[in-house]
Amino acid sequence: GDSVTQMEGPVTLSEEAFLTINCTYTATGYPSLFWYVQYPGEGLQLLLKATKADDKGSNKGFEATYRKETTSFHLEKGSVQVSDSAVYFCALTLNQAGTALIFGKGTTLSVSS
Amino acid sequence: GAVVSQHPSWVICKSGTSVKIECRSLDFQATTMFWYRQFPKQSLMLMATSNEGSKATYEQGVEKDKFLINHASLTLSTLTVTSAHPEDSSFYICSARAGGGDYGYTFGSGTRLTVV
Repeated sequence: GDSVTQMEGPVTLSEEAFLTINCTYTATGYPSLFWYVQYPGEGLQLLLKATKADDKGSNKGFEATYRKETTSFHLEKGSVQVSDSAVYFCALTLNQAGTALIFGKGTTLSVSS
Repeated sequence: GAVVSQHPSWVICKSGTSVKIECRSLDFQATTMFWYRQFPKQSLMLMATSNEGSKATYEQGVEKDKFLINHASLTLSTLTVTSAHPEDSSFYICSARAGGGDYGYTFGSGTRLTVV
């Protein structure tokens, strides 16, 4: 079935370090891909998305490129901040009415000053 | 942008009682709503999909008689945890999706349920 696999955490970085969180997917069709962020005790916020191959989603310094050939959507940021500490979820949807997002297991990022 | 309001944000109830969680779309009509459950330090598990005016579709392994979902209008869906037990303690999150081709999902802020 359709699924999302993302790297296990936690990821611990110092402020201003480079961040990569790997995400790969398996899907029968042509999914849209998302990264969501969850701060402690809160719901999910959309961070960025890409709807077709080679699209690059970007927001708040984060970016991810939809790579169909490697079925990947890795999240990157050039210089992380303490405020980026959160749980990051990679997700996909098959773009059909009534279908839910399928989430990866989440990666906890902890940034120290 | 689209906003989903979820209430309550946290609730403590006694074992054997029922708890209702509401999810409202504030500035759009949500033709489809999704209910997720999240265990500590784990991903979101889809519980059910509800469409306005019809019965919810439950995922395998989710007890539909225990987790009652009602989607009576285009702006409101409710999840009722009936005869709650400590193992039902969890973080519940709703997600709403407007009709059309945007395929945008908006999430509520979640409800922390603790059954004592």
